[in-house]
Amino acid sequence: GQQLNQSPQSMFIQEGEDVSMNCTSSSIFNTWLWYKQDPGEGPVLLIALYKAGELTSNGRLTAQFGITRKDSFLNISASIPSDVGIYFCAGHPRGGSEKLVFGKGTKLTVNP
Amino acid sequence: GAVVSQHPSRVICKSGTSVKIECRSLDFQATTMFWYRQFPKQSLMLMATSNEGSKATYEQGVEKDKFLINHASLTLSTLTVTSAHPEDSSFYICSAPRTGIGDTEAFFGQGTRLTVV
Repeated sequence: GQQLNQSPQSMFIQEGEDVSMNCTSSSIFNTWLWYKQDPGEGPVLLIALYKAGELTSNGRLTAQFGITRKDSFLNISASIPSDVGIYFCAGHPRGGSEKLVFGKGTKLTVNP
Repeated sequence: GAVVSQHPSRVICKSGTSVKIECRSLDFQATTMFWYRQFPKQSLMLMATSNEGSKATYEQGVEKDKFLINHASLTLSTLTVTSAHPEDSSFYICSAPRTGIGDTEAFFGQGTRLTVV
């Protein structure tokens, strides 16, 4: 089945640092969604992207829908301890149903 | 606030019993909902697509008689784990897509931690 390649798998950073993670696909996606999951909780939607080239911010988070529609990145600026968690990219493939395809996640650890 | 509510958040049951998990969309109707299973330190694995008023669609390798899905209304889907065994212990999560004009957002429930003893 389709897969999203998400990297890095994990990150260890100091509080205040900026973070960047990305997802790529071999096929075109119609939407890109970025989620954060805390332990024992369901994923929470951070940013949704619908158009190629779209750049959207949500507070300290910024995400972009790649021009080729095959990639997306998420940046977190000035990280804080509560940014700790697992970040997932997900998307709806072109021509697909409402089923989401997920990346494998990026585990972020922020040291105070 | 939450737009998809999942209940219960945790359940412990004895081997051989059945457990029902509910997933509700709040303030919007969802003709389709999705059920996922998540193993520790892994991504979400789609189990089945719940379709309002019709049979669920199961992913390859998922036993439909084991994981019964009912989508009786536009705001409620249920997953029943029948004759649960310890290997069914896992984190189960539902999601519901909310479609607007030109976009679809998928929202997730809080998840259910099932422990079968």
